[in-house]
Amino acid sequence: DAGVIQSPRHEVTEMGQEVTLRCKPISGHDYLFWYRQTMMRGLELLIYFNNNVPIDDSGMPEDRFSAKMPNASFSTLKIQPSEPRDSAVYFCASRRQGRHEQFFGPGTRLTVL
Amino acid sequence: AQSVTQPDIHITVSEGASLELRCNYSYGATPYLFWYVQSPGQGLQLLLKYFSGDTLVQGIKGFEAEFKRSQSSFNLRKPSVHWSDAAEYFCAVVNSGTYKYIFGTGTRLKVLA
Repeated sequence: DAGVIQSPRHEVTEMGQEVTLRCKPISGHDYLFWYRQTMMRGLELLIYFNNNVPIDDSGMPEDRFSAKMPNASFSTLKIQPSEPRDSAVYFCASRRQGRHEQFFGPGTRLTVL
Repeated sequence: AQSVTQPDIHITVSEGASLELRCNYSYGATPYLFWYVQSPGQGLQLLLKYFSGDTLVQGIKGFEAEFKRSQSSFNLRKPSVHWSDAAEYFCAVVNSGTYKYIFGTGTRLKVLA
């Protein structure tokens, strides 16, 4: 089975531009998580969905960040406008209902100049 | 408050030597515990998990971990380290109410030839 798929793997953009990160969870998984990883703050949970519905977005840093899950096989994390402090690796993870282990994608390394 | 502590930020071992990475947790109920490994530029890969039962759990790549309730620990071990084990290792506990992971800050392992 394919794992969690993320695109792009690397994104370099300029401050003020809109950035969209994409994630395809493992088929059959009901939960989807977005994380951000930085040297200073480690792994932070931004938001998670259950059955395409956002359950907890308390980790979203500010209104510039938004996430959607239009169907069970696709989610986006959007930053508009982007700022240099958003530079980080963004991970998507998914898990199946009733199971606790999460499976992570390879991440998107975002650099905002 | 629930928390996970990985006391060692960096560990260096020689190839072929044994390894133990420490993880301490603070959690009121029976915890669900995980170890993940992150190779450079990669996502997090699940090494092993503990939910209940036998306190010594076996994982992939020759790793094992032992749950000790009396010490609130879940240390990761490997009898003989390979150069390919150089990576960052994360311990995590699941909040049984929200199913959100609480991650430790990670331990970066360096392997000397």
